[in-house]
Amino acid sequence: GAGVSQTPSNKVTEKGKYVELRCDPISGHTALYWYRQSLGQGPEFLIYFQGTGAADDSGLPNDRFFAVRPEGSVSTLKIQRTERGDSAVYLCASSPRRDSGANVLTFGAGSRLTVL
Amino acid sequence: EDKVVQSPLSLVVHEGDTVTLNCSYEVTNFRSLLWYKQEKKAPTFLFMLTSSGIEKKSGRLSSILDKKELFSILNITATQTGDSAIYLCAVDITSGTYKYIFGTGTRLKVLA
Repeated sequence: GAGVSQTPSNKVTEKGKYVELRCDPISGHTALYWYRQSLGQGPEFLIYFQGTGAADDSGLPNDRFFAVRPEGSVSTLKIQRTERGDSAVYLCASSPRRDSGANVLTFGAGSRLTVL
Repeated sequence: EDKVVQSPLSLVVHEGDTVTLNCSYEVTNFRSLLWYKQEKKAPTFLFMLTSSGIEKKSGRLSSILDKKELFSILNITATQTGDSAIYLCAVDITSGTYKYIFGTGTRLKVLA
């Protein structure tokens, strides 16, 4: 697509529920990143994909968080047993091949998650 | 631990003023430094800096990097209300992986 698309734009859920957040990167971009941004904070790294594989998942806060990118394009961030502290804006970004030197991230508009 | 620190955290100015936003960093394997503007939604790219002392300029915005002292500044001249936003600084690192470390941002408000 022309830009990075994220759905849903807003998600309200109850504590303990499961949520999925979807990211459709720019066509041809092989690098994909998930960040989490809490109010008044900068984006916090969660996970980075190069192609289909998670090259670095060191930012995932615990095992309730998981992300996949099965065909090297669309990615889904999955959060199990949501907690109130998971409330944040989840940003997805993509860039061309990581070793291409063109390493500017293009962000989507984010998915705002509210856990009641 | 890799870290990026921005200052000030917030700033209120009047239209026409000039502002300077600061970004300092301590990281391993620095690759580049990027500035983004964030209004209500997605951060939008402003500048990417890789070499010391070379100013990047776009209209009223300019930025420069000092790799010896490990900081960058973003200048905005003749500010307008449309410049009101959060300005984010990010450092691209390659220490065994590739990721971008962001600062907390500077919230700029420009009053008419």
